[in-house]
Amino acid sequence: GQNIDQPTEMTATEGAIVQINCTYQTSGFNGLFWYQQHAGEAPTFLSYNVLDGLEEKGRFSSFLSRSKGYSYLLLKELQMKDSASYLCAVRMSGSARQLTFGSGTQLTVLP
Amino acid sequence: DAGITQSPRYKITETGRQVTLMCHQTWSHSYMFWYRQDLGHGLRLIYYSAAADITDKGEVPDGYVVSRSKTENFPLTLESATRSQTSVYFCATEGVTYNEQFFGPGTRLTVL
Repeated sequence: GQNIDQPTEMTATEGAIVQINCTYQTSGFNGLFWYQQHAGEAPTFLSYNVLDGLEEKGRFSSFLSRSKGYSYLLLKELQMKDSASYLCAVRMSGSARQLTFGSGTQLTVLP
Repeated sequence: DAGITQSPRYKITETGRQVTLMCHQTWSHSYMFWYRQDLGHGLRLIYYSAAADITDKGEVPDGYVVSRSKTENFPLTLESATRSQTSVYFCATEGVTYNEQFFGPGTRLTVL
């Protein structure tokens, strides 16, 4: 099966930049997703990477290196509302769209 | 029009009872999923469905049953609830042309 690793907790200051890393097993890889989940709410989609490189979407960017089994989510100009859990998820080839999720990184943004 | 809804939002039941969690979507997405979320485990896939009448097991299917007679509905049944099934349950959908799963608001289930 797939084993996804990401830090459990991170803390950063409002206005700063934070990078959340995610590593996964490369065999059978077919896409990497990032979701944001505020406490008590459902996860919401942030980004999808299937090719190497950086995808930028406003203040959020996501990077993928397929050969290294590595991704990161970069959050710029942090705001208090960015305090949430960030979930890394992997899709395997041949799967019927199933995702395997990491345990999530709880980000706390301090004033 | 909410897109994807789950009911009930909160449920308390007792060990041994049968419980059904409902999931309804208005998008006609082909794929539907049931996840449970527990502290320290993240989201784990219970069952999924690629289309009406096509379902398959995920990572943690034991103790659960699903059906999908219509594209828009994907109920999850706990046949005989156990305390270990206390969790938050999320339903999700994905369309054929998308690379994004949309999540329902979740059902918080407590088994006493």
